[in-house]
Amino acid sequence: AQSVTQPDIHITVSEGASLELRCNYSYGATPYLFWYVQSPGQGLQLLLKYFSGDTLVQGIKGFEAEFKRSQSSFNLRKPSVHWSDAAEYFCAVTNGGATNKLIFGTGTLLAVQP
Amino acid sequence: DAGVTQSPTHLIKTRGQQVTLRCSPKSGHDTVSWYQQALGQGPQFIFQYYEEEERQRGNFPDRFSGHQFPNYSSELNVNALLLGDSALYLCASSSVVDTQYFGPGTRLTVL
Repeated sequence: AQSVTQPDIHITVSEGASLELRCNYSYGATPYLFWYVQSPGQGLQLLLKYFSGDTLVQGIKGFEAEFKRSQSSFNLRKPSVHWSDAAEYFCAVTNGGATNKLIFGTGTLLAVQP
Repeated sequence: DAGVTQSPTHLIKTRGQQVTLRCSPKSGHDTVSWYQQALGQGPQFIFQYYEEEERQRGNFPDRFSGHQFPNYSSELNVNALLLGDSALYLCASSSVVDTQYFGPGTRLTVL
């Protein structure tokens, strides 16, 4: 069965520091991978997605993620964090197509220190 | 171009009651998926509708049912509410050429 693991429940970084959020997935074939961000009390906003091709994908708000098949990972990175990036981040996987059901990790809550 | 919209924003019900949540998809999208997000958890897939039919279903009891209308909007119905049904209910729309975009959610509280 497909699954997603986000090992870090809570991360605190200083404003301007770099960020890496970890995501590991379990899936037999090539997965479709996503990162979503959720501000308090809000819905989910799509940051970026990987379907195929270049394993380094660029997203909105200066985020990027790298797909590493050998490590079953899809980590999210940002070179310089802004206070407005404080939110919860979810990694998700689906199979077979962009419209299929998403399997989410439990999320990583990001706090940004001034 | 409006994104995914959901109504109502918040809802308070008591155990045993029934509730209906509504979702309008993003323009150009024909598929609607529903997710339940309990506090402190990631969203869990409930079911998906396409061409007015339930196409996929997650591990939720039959108390959870849905409907899709010809204009692609959708409803989620939950019967015989339990305390454990308290959650944020998210609707996502998509199409064969576009990935899932989420609405702001409906916060359901069951007392």
